[in-house]
Amino acid sequence: AQSVTQPDIHITVSEGASLELRCNYSYGATPYLFWYVQSPGQGLQLLLKYFSGDTLVQGIKGFEAEFKRSQSSFNLRKPSVHWSDAAEYFCAVGARGYSTLTFGKGTMLLVSP
Amino acid sequence: GAGVSQSPSNKVTEKGKDVELRCDPISGHTALYWYRQSLGQGLEFLIYFQGNSAPDKSGLPSDRFSAERTGGSVSTLTIQRTQQEDSAVYLCASSSRLAGGDGVNIQYFGAGTRLSVL
Repeated sequence: AQSVTQPDIHITVSEGASLELRCNYSYGATPYLFWYVQSPGQGLQLLLKYFSGDTLVQGIKGFEAEFKRSQSSFNLRKPSVHWSDAAEYFCAVGARGYSTLTFGKGTMLLVSP
Repeated sequence: GAGVSQSPSNKVTEKGKDVELRCDPISGHTALYWYRQSLGQGLEFLIYFQGNSAPDKSGLPSDRFSAERTGGSVSTLTIQRTQQEDSAVYLCASSSRLAGGDGVNIQYFGAGTRLSVL
């Protein structure tokens, strides 16, 4: 069975500082990996995805993530955090086709002035 | 529509009552998913529709939960005899093979229905 672990429940980062959110997955085949962001009272918005090819993927809002097969990781990064990035971030793993996604429990990002 | 629409946005009910939650997917999306998001628990898969059929309903937590989809579009999630532990945000998502290129699943989410059972 596939699973996703986001080790950090909460992270606080100063505005302008860099950010890295960790995600580790367990999946038997080649995974398809996603990062979603959820602002309060909102649904989930797709930030970026990895299907194949270049292991460094770029997303919206200046985010990027790197797929490392040897570490079963797909960490999310941003070089300079803005106050508007404060939200909850979810990593998810899926497979080809219409199968469901398995989500991590999320990391809440707080941005301090 | 432009995005996935869910109604109501908030629902307060009394224990033991039945509730219906509605999801209107993105036009043309053939797959539809229901998730439950409880505090600190992430997203829990409930049921998946392909067209009007539900090939995977393995996540429904009990027989009090049911869902249907008609016309390959709107879906309704029904919870009978609600319990306090049913309080959560219920999220709906839809996806289309075309959106994913080679068939990889990209799910687009609605804003959810916050259910509070008193």
